[in-house]
Amino acid sequence: SQTIHQWPATLVQPVGSPLSLECTVEGTSNPNLYWYRQAAGRGLQLLFYSVGIGQISSEVPQNLSASRPQDRQFILSSKKLLLSDSGFYLCAWTEGGAGQPQHFGDGTRLSIL
Amino acid sequence: SQQGEEDPQALSIQEGENATMNCSYKTSINNLQWYRQNSGRGLVHLILIRSNEREKHSGRLRVTLDTSKKSSSLLITASRAADTASYFCATDKAAGNKLTFGGGTRVLVKP
Repeated sequence: SQTIHQWPATLVQPVGSPLSLECTVEGTSNPNLYWYRQAAGRGLQLLFYSVGIGQISSEVPQNLSASRPQDRQFILSSKKLLLSDSGFYLCAWTEGGAGQPQHFGDGTRLSIL
Repeated sequence: SQQGEEDPQALSIQEGENATMNCSYKTSINNLQWYRQNSGRGLVHLILIRSNEREKHSGRLRVTLDTSKKSSSLLITASRAADTASYFCATDKAAGNKLTFGGGTRVLVKP
């Protein structure tokens, strides 16, 4: 069966420090991969998605970047964190094609001090 | 901007009662999905309804879709305390399976 792993679960970082969040998927090949951010009590904002290795689409201009170095690995990065980068970051995968449900990791709670 | 907007934003009911929440969207869609999120966790897919479907059931869940009104409803029958969670609708309107999520309905089921 397919599983998705996201870590760390919680992260506290100072303003201006770098960031690397990792997400890996097991049990499937060539998934579509997604990074979302969720503010407290709100819906999900799509940050990046990828349909293949090295293919990254950015949805909103921001202080973050994403990379997909391997088929089932998706990384969210920042060179210098801002206070506004605080939030709950969720990774998700889906099989290719329209109309497929997305499967989510358990998220990373990022607090910037 | 959010494609889907849920109503109400919060709902409090007694165990055994039904919970109904609504979702409205603005543009044409391929399908609409409902997800559940327990506090501090990732989202879990509940049900998907395609644009050519009007109603779908899964266990205690019933989803309707009215494309003429650009709206959907999720009904949870005979609610349980374990149904306490936030529920989100999400619409899929473009290739690549990008979803646009609403702001969610927070449901509290009191035992």
